[in-house]
Amino acid sequence: SYELTQPPSVSVSPGQTARITCSGDALPKQYAYWYQQKPGQAPVLVIYKDSERPSGIPERFSGSSSGTTVTLTISGVQAEDEADYYCQSADSSGTYLVFGGGTKLTVL
Amino acid sequence: QVQLVESGGGLVKPGGSLRLSCAASGFTFSDYYMSWIRQAPGKGLEWVSYISSSGSTIYYADSVKGRFTISRDNAKNSLYLQMNSLRAEDTAVYYCARDIAAAGIVYYFDYWGQGTLVTVSS
Repeated sequence: SYELTQPPSVSVSPGQTARITCSGDALPKQYAYWYQQKPGQAPVLVIYKDSERPSGIPERFSGSSSGTTVTLTISGVQAEDEADYYCQSADSSGTYLVFGGGTKLTVL
Repeated sequence: QVQLVESGGGLVKPGGSLRLSCAASGFTFSDYYMSWIRQAPGKGLEWVSYISSSGSTIYYADSVKGRFTISRDNAKNSLYLQMNSLRAEDTAVYYCARDIAAAGIVYYFDYWGQGTLVTVSS
């Protein structure tokens, strides 16, 4: 079955830039989406279609794509950004949806 | 505003059954595909199933195919998940989510409920 691969953890100091990657063979063909999940809460969409930002999401969140890897970038990280981040996409047929394993962002 | 409220979770023995419900409000339910997504304790997210706006198109993850059945009642603005032959590995918080889809393809989930916990244990 299709898999998306994320690093388990990323740590940054406040004000620095955090980059979280997600790799998958079908990513050149399928869009990627990013969700933020804080403890005890439901996930929240922060990036859609690789690089689009939903209304209400701070401008410090951005996304990019290159080949089989997509990247979520958080510029000027704030303490409130500490959370788990999940990428999501679909297999090459577009039928089956898949999440990456998640990345825990720690703000030092 | 969009609201999704899940119910029906609880403790069930291995091999047992449970039916989850999701009550939707704040949008035209019959216009949207809907999904169930689960998260085992301390683990990541796993897409379980989606159903088209009319109910005519349904897909399942391999891990639940043949055991779970998704359905909807557009007159009641409700989504359901019938779970049979439950296993310990089905223990998770189950979220319902509104899908953003086009031309029969689900792209992503723009609204999520708060989830309902299903525990499968003897």
